[in-house]
Amino acid sequence: EAGVVQSPRYKIIEKKQPVAFWCNPISGHNTLYWYRQNLGQGPELLIRYENEEAVDDSQLPKDRFSAERLKGVDSTLKIQPAELGDSAVYLCASSLGRRDRGYNEQFFGPGTRLTVL
Amino acid sequence: AQSVTQPDIHITVSEGASLELRCNYSYGATPYLFWYVQSPGQGLQLLLKYFSGDTLVQGIKGFEAEFKRSQSSFNLRKPSVHWSDAAEYFCAVGPGYPGGSYIPTFGRGTSLIVHP
Repeated sequence: EAGVVQSPRYKIIEKKQPVAFWCNPISGHNTLYWYRQNLGQGPELLIRYENEEAVDDSQLPKDRFSAERLKGVDSTLKIQPAELGDSAVYLCASSLGRRDRGYNEQFFGPGTRLTVL
Repeated sequence: AQSVTQPDIHITVSEGASLELRCNYSYGATPYLFWYVQSPGQGLQLLLKYFSGDTLVQGIKGFEAEFKRSQSSFNLRKPSVHWSDAAEYFCAVGPGYPGGSYIPTFGRGTSLIVHP
């Protein structure tokens, strides 16, 4: 069974340019997460989707970041325009989100490493 | 607010030696605690988790962790390290709630270096 797929794996752009990251979660997982991991730090949640609804986006910098999960499956995270401080690894994760369980493990993709010059 | 402290940025051990990675947390209620491993170019993989019950939990790849409420600690251990264990290790704390997915707060990570 395929895990969480992310593309591209690496992206180098000039500041002020737009960039987009794509994530395809594990089949059947209704909850999808986007995290940002700065160098030497742990991941920080940007946004969480349950199906197509964004249920937690309080940490998403909405002036330049946007995300969508139109059909409740794959998702795109966009930055426009990118700034130097956006250089980081962007991780996508998914989980089942079963309401009959107290805990649903998150499965992480390999991430997209963004470098803004 | 919940927080996690991993006091060691880097740990170097020889292959075959024992390992202990430290983790201290701050959380107002009974915490859910996790250890993840991240190999270069890979996503995070869950090693083990603690919710309640036995304070010594076993995980994958021969790892274990012990929850000590009095010390607010959840240290990760392995009796004999293999070269393939070289990676970044993250401790995380978070609430779990019925029917939902927890949103963990991660520590900054500890980089494990294994010498042959």
